[in-house]
Amino acid sequence: DIQMTQSPSSLSASVGDRVTITCRASQSISSYLNWYQQKPGKAPKLLIYAASSLQSGVPSRFSGSGSGTDFTLTISSLQPEDFATYYCQQSYRSRTFGQGTKLEIK
Amino acid sequence: QITLKESGPTLVKPTQTLTLTCTFSGFSLSTSGVGVGWIRQPPGKALEWLALIYWNDDKRYSPSLKSRLTITKDTSKNQVVLTMTNMDPVDTATYYCAQPGRGDAFDIWGQGTMVTVSS
Repeated sequence: DIQMTQSPSSLSASVGDRVTITCRASQSISSYLNWYQQKPGKAPKLLIYAASSLQSGVPSRFSGSGSGTDFTLTISSLQPEDFATYYCQQSYRSRTFGQGTKLEIK
Repeated sequence: QITLKESGPTLVKPTQTLTLTCTFSGFSLSTSGVGVGWIRQPPGKALEWLALIYWNDDKRYSPSLKSRLTITKDTSKNQVVLTMTNMDPVDTATYYCAQPGRGDAFDIWGQGTMVTVSS
């Protein structure tokens, strides 16, 4: 099985901050990496697919990068609506989600 | 507009079999490349992928749960059914169905259905 490890598990930040979340795969997954945002009581929302492609309708302050085993999600300037939990997910072999990163208001 | 909606029991007893149905609209599971997957999330915990079925009846399962899962489709009813045997309290979770799109990412999700396993 491919394991996905996110860091940090939680993060406090302020509106306007630049934030980076990291996801590491236990083996190379090329660019088969997706990022989701989830708010309490809601289904996850796809933000980034194929490591760096922005899903339609997602603000451009969200960006993704990486390939192989190391990936990052960056939010360039945090907005109030961005405080949520973020998950990475590999679709290279089977499917696996990371454990999540909870982004909280400082 | 594509929508998916999960349905099934809210409460099951330990050792019972859970049957969940995903009813969708706006696409056909007979169209090449189309699939539907299941993902679950225990309260306060992370997402866990369970299974996927494609238009050509190709089926994929989580290795850790493969022995307990069966996914099937009914193209005429626009439904995908997931069964999970030998339910345990640790299987208490919200169960989502979702459609994979570009990059094989789940880009459209149902609202989820909460299943509690308790005697």
